[in-house]
Amino acid sequence: NAGVTQTPKFQVLKTGQSMTLQCAQDMNHEYMSWYRQDPGMGLRLIHYSVGAGITDQGEVPNGYNVSRSTTEDFPLRLLSAAPSQTSVYFCASSYVAGTEQYFGPGTRLTVT
Amino acid sequence: EDKVVQSPLSLVVHEGDTVTLNCSYEVTNFRSLLWYKQEKKAPTFLFMLTSSGIEKKSGRLSSILDKKELFSILNITATQTGDSAIYLCAVDPGNNNDMRFGAGTRLTVKP
Repeated sequence: NAGVTQTPKFQVLKTGQSMTLQCAQDMNHEYMSWYRQDPGMGLRLIHYSVGAGITDQGEVPNGYNVSRSTTEDFPLRLLSAAPSQTSVYFCASSYVAGTEQYFGPGTRLTVT
Repeated sequence: EDKVVQSPLSLVVHEGDTVTLNCSYEVTNFRSLLWYKQEKKAPTFLFMLTSSGIEKKSGRLSSILDKKELFSILNITATQTGDSAIYLCAVDPGNNNDMRFGAGTRLTVKP
């Protein structure tokens, strides 16, 4: 099992550019989520999904979109990058909400 | 508003010391509390607690939940340099399936 995979590992964007962060899991987990981690702020939930076709907003959803067309994949789209979106992004999955989450290796994004 | 607060934010100890990390929460309809350890990369799972007063233990690490006083502690005995990490507490508020993380405690263990 590969677990949770994320691509890319690093990305530099210019303000206004768009991009998609990829996330995939092979554990047949229903719950998937995206977090951003900034210094001193722990993990903040951006969007989450409780199953294919179902997504919802977390604590900091502005500027991001998600979709969940399959159980395995949960891409995160930055619509128009801003310097405030410079952060480390983690994708995670779990069997159901509120249980042990498995995290991907993270994507370090810099927006200039 | 759902809130998870960890203390202290950082802690420096020497090998062999015992440490206690704290996590307090205010959430709508508590379902579970989880502890994670984050070294250089992604967080890894330590414990999940749902019932008050039942200690979870794994080697030198243990954790307990107090649902009446709305907090949990994570104890690490006989600390080692490999325990140096950020320890994160997360709570399932039981309303919208989202998880709330605290800011974390950065533990540094010196030889």
